[in-house]
Amino acid sequence: DAGVTQSPTHLIKTRGQQVTLRCSPISGHKSVSWYQQVLGQGPQFIFQYYEKEERGRGNFPDRFSARQFPNYSSELNVNALLLGDSALYLCASSFYLGADPSSLQETQYFGPGTRLLVL
Amino acid sequence: TQLLEQSPQFLSIQEGENLTVYCNSSSVFSSLQWYRQEPGEGPVLLVTVVTGGEVKKLKRLTFQFGDARKDSSLHITAAQPGDTGLYLCAGWSRAQKLVFGQGTRLTINP
Repeated sequence: DAGVTQSPTHLIKTRGQQVTLRCSPISGHKSVSWYQQVLGQGPQFIFQYYEKEERGRGNFPDRFSARQFPNYSSELNVNALLLGDSALYLCASSFYLGADPSSLQETQYFGPGTRLLVL
Repeated sequence: TQLLEQSPQFLSIQEGENLTVYCNSSSVFSSLQWYRQEPGEGPVLLVTVVTGGEVKKLKRLTFQFGDARKDSSLHITAAQPGDTGLYLCAGWSRAQKLVFGQGTRLTINP
């Protein structure tokens, strides 16, 4: 079975532009979460979607938005890009919300990420 | 805000040596997880510890959850070059969000 896939793998944008990142979860998984990983740091939670509804949001400005489609794939949009938005953007999928980490069905599986460079 | 602090941030040792990585918080977590991330890839879950005082072993890796559920450690015995990578601890916050530490970058030299 295919794992979590993300596209594109790399992206270069300039300040002020907008970017859309895409994620396809593992087949059968209904939850998708997005994380930002700045170089040298751990991932930071941005959004979680479950059954096409936003179920959680991290401390990110309104320039960040996301949505989940009926096939459970997801897009992350970032408007008015800043230099500080340069990072690895990770998508993770799980069958459920992940509220019970001891359950295998709530384990999050991460994609390889999209590396975004803002110049 | 529940934070996780990892130490050390960088560790470079020779093959065959033992090492321990620490993950600490001032907050109680219902569970803690350890991930390993290699360049160009996303984090991969190694283990989840859910009970205070719990010890789990995965081949040469031993994971421990503190009695008060505020800290965890990862011990690697006889490290090998294949253990090289970024080790991340993470915990589920009260707001049901996964919070990561800043990571420990481990390099095992042949």
